[in-house]
Amino acid sequence: QVQLQESGPGLVKPSGTLSLTCVVSGGSISNSNWWSWVRQPPGKGLEWIGGIYHSGSTNYNPSLDSRVTISLDKSKNQFSLKLTSVTAADTAIYYCARGSERAFDFWGQGTLVTVSS
Amino acid sequence: EIVLTQSPGTLSLSPGERATLSCRASQTVSGSFLAWYQQKPGQAPRLLIYGASTRATTGIPDRFSASGSGTDFTLTISRLEPEDFAVYYCQQHSTSPVTFGQGTRLDIK
Repeated sequence: QVQLQESGPGLVKPSGTLSLTCVVSGGSISNSNWWSWVRQPPGKGLEWIGGIYHSGSTNYNPSLDSRVTISLDKSKNQFSLKLTSVTAADTAIYYCARGSERAFDFWGQGTLVTVSS
Repeated sequence: EIVLTQSPGTLSLSPGERATLSCRASQTVSGSFLAWYQQKPGQAPRLLIYGASTRATTGIPDRFSASGSGTDFTLTISRLEPEDFAVYYCQQHSTSPVTFGQGTRLDIK
């Protein structure tokens, strides 16, 4: 059973950089899947941030494209998210998820990131 | 981008009743790359349906069914159980960016 676990700071200052890591267990990140980040502001809906394929190629939501970087570390079986120039609007629960032809079939439990001084 | 509009926004029903949730896309969702998720408070979304109509795992009860193609999709819960009251999201992953509907909240009446 594939499991994903997010980690990173729960508090980021405005204009700073949000950095999160998702460790994958129970399966190799090098398999033919893609790995995504999805966020959910408190009490609101889901927004796809972007994803990275096992090959390393990336695909970002145009609404965040200029601020997002997703990277893969195959040696640690993990992938990461960096979001720059954050504001209060970036406060959300951040989920990592595995993508396939079956959509997002495995999700992490989510981690709340608050942007505040 | 493909905009997904879910209706109704909130559905209030009683256990044992039938629930019908709609998801309409602003453009054709090719390859039936349409999925449905269930989300309960404090939990991550759970994949229920992929490919517009295929239940995700053997753990998804057969009271959950889905259909549709093109721009119109439906999730049906045939007989509501207490654990089914949650928020449901549709999602398309045929065209980048991946997009989600705004959700339908299924409340106990």
